[in-house]
Amino acid sequence: NAGVTQTPKFQVLKTGQSMTLQCAQDMNHEYMSWYRQDPGMGLRLIHYSVGAGITDQGEVPNGYNVSRSTTEDFPLRLLSAAPSQTSVYFCASSRTSVSYEQYFGPGTRLTVT
Amino acid sequence: GNSVTQMEGPVTLSEEAFLTINCTYTATGYPSLFWYVQYPGEGLQLLLKATKADDKGSNKGFEATYRKETTSFHLEKGSVQVSDSAVYFCALSDPTQGGSEKLVFGKGTKLTVNP
Repeated sequence: NAGVTQTPKFQVLKTGQSMTLQCAQDMNHEYMSWYRQDPGMGLRLIHYSVGAGITDQGEVPNGYNVSRSTTEDFPLRLLSAAPSQTSVYFCASSRTSVSYEQYFGPGTRLTVT
Repeated sequence: GNSVTQMEGPVTLSEEAFLTINCTYTATGYPSLFWYVQYPGEGLQLLLKATKADDKGSNKGFEATYRKETTSFHLEKGSVQVSDSAVYFCALSDPTQGGSEKLVFGKGTKLTVNP
């Protein structure tokens, strides 16, 4: 099992550019989530999905879009990058129970200039 | 809303010292509680968890007990090693606010252990 994979590992964008952060998992987990990690802020939930075709907003959704066409993949789209979106992004997946832990990918470090 | 508060860092200890990282929570339901660890340049890994009151989670010499009366889940280790240097996150999952897809995290505590 590869677990949760994310690409790319690093990315530099100019303000206004768009891009997609890729996330895939091979554990057949129903739940998937995107977080951003900023210094002194912990991890904050951007968007999440409880199954293919079902997504919802988290704590900080503005400027990001998601879709979930398959169980395995959960891409995060930045439509028009802003410097405030400079962060480390983590994708996670889990089983369908509150007591199960989330499994995290290695992260994508994004810089917007 | 739900929240997790953990002690501010950074924490610097000598090898073999005792470690405590405090974590308290606010939740509307009966949450599951987690400690995650992040080593430099890596993603988060589950360290331990507890799913009901008075449960004790343990792993790699770390322990934490789910205390409902004090709404706490403090992380402890009796003798830290240099390899324990990392950032530690306390987190909760509340069944009244969804499930395991929506973890609420504390801000993290950076631990440095010197030889």
